[in-house]
Formats: sequence, C-alpha cells, structure tokens
Amino acid sequence: NAGVTQTPKFQVLKTGQSMTLQCAQDMNHEYMSWYRQDPGMGLRLIHYSVGAGITDQGEVPNGYNVSRSTTEDFPLRLLSAAPSQTSVYFCASSYRPPLNTGELFFGEGSRLTVL
Amino acid sequence: QQPVQSPQAVILREGEDAVINCSSSKALYSVHWYRQKHGEAPVFLMILLKGGEQKGHDKISASFNEKKQQSSLYLTASQLSYSGTYFCGTEIQNRDDKIIFGKGTRLHILP
Repeated sequence: NAGVTQTPKFQVLKTGQSMTLQCAQDMNHEYMSWYRQDPGMGLRLIHYSVGAGITDQGEVPNGYNVSRSTTEDFPLRLLSAAPSQTSVYFCASSYRPPLNTGELFFGEGSRLTVL
Repeated sequence: QQPVQSPQAVILREGEDAVINCSSSKALYSVHWYRQKHGEAPVFLMILLKGGEQKGHDKISASFNEKKQQSSLYLTASQLSYSGTYFCGTEIQNRDDKIIFGKGTRLHILP
C-alpha cells in the first residue's frame, strides 16, 4: 500500500502565485486533514473532511481552500501565496467510527517556500 | 483550544525516565500521542479515550485524567531511539472531528 501520498515534496513560489498541494490515500479512509508545521508552533489544523463532499475549517484556514470530490483525494489550494505561508504541510487520514482507532496516517510532507 | 505541553524540551541520558504532560482547557473526548523524528512525518503512538484509561506498549505508556483534562506520556528506561519531538493531540467532547495538537516536547537522549 502506498498509504498517504503528497506531491510535490518541495515547491518554491513567488508572492501572489497560486498552487495546489495534492494528497491521495489508498486506505479508503473517510477522514482527511491538512496541517501546517512551523518551528515552535506544532502542527496546526488548516482544513479537514469527514467524507466526500464535506469539508470544514480548522485552526488556520485563511488563505487556503480545499475540496473533497472523491474519498481518495484531498487537495489544498493556495490562491495567492504569501511569505507567511512558508511552511511544511502534512496531509493525514484516518478511519472514522466505528472503525476509528484514532490513528492519523501522515504523508511525508510538502515543504513550501514563498519568496 | 491548543493543548499545552510541558516541558518544552528535555535532555536525558539513556536509561533514564521521562514524563511529558498535556493539558487542555476544554473537556476532552480523546488524547492522541505522536512522535516525530527530524525531517520525518509524525508517527502514532497511542490514543486514550475519556474514562481515564491508561495505555502502553513497550516502555512507553500514557494516562488520561478526564476530570483534570490532562494526559501524561511516560517513557521508561529511555533508549536512543526515543529521541524526537512528541506531540499530544486532543479532540473535545462534542466530537467535532478536529484533532488539535500542542506545540510539542523535544526529547533528546544522550548515550
């Protein structure tokens, strides 16, 4: 199994550019989420989804859009990148009750630099 | 809503014990513990559900005090492989599907 796959692993953007971070999982997980990780800040929840067609905001949603058209994919869009969005982004997925063991499966991360 | 972890960092010698604490101002449904090594993704250690249960595997265990909204992670006879950053994640009792992580505790084990 591939697990959770994130692409690209590295990206450099200029301020104002747009891009999409891709996330795909092959474990048939209903729950998917995006976190950003900055030094000293831990993992902060951006957006999450409990199933296809359902998304909701996390702690730091501003500047990001998501959609969930399929169970497998959960892309994160930056419409107009800002230097404050320089970060490492992690996608994570899990089962939901009644199969929920609570374990979030993380992708390897995408390192984004905005100049 | 972000849980508070303490200490922020700890340095131990191999074989020593460590305790990492996590506390929340909200009533919790569950507490999750993850370990992240430098440059890697976080890896699941365990989940504790409300009810005050204690869990463990190998020499790593955890407790959850539902009344105090606190959880502690215990690392016994630490090994070099325990080095990394430990995160607690919490889900509040209304089951809003948000898992909110603390800022992490950096653990460094010296030989």
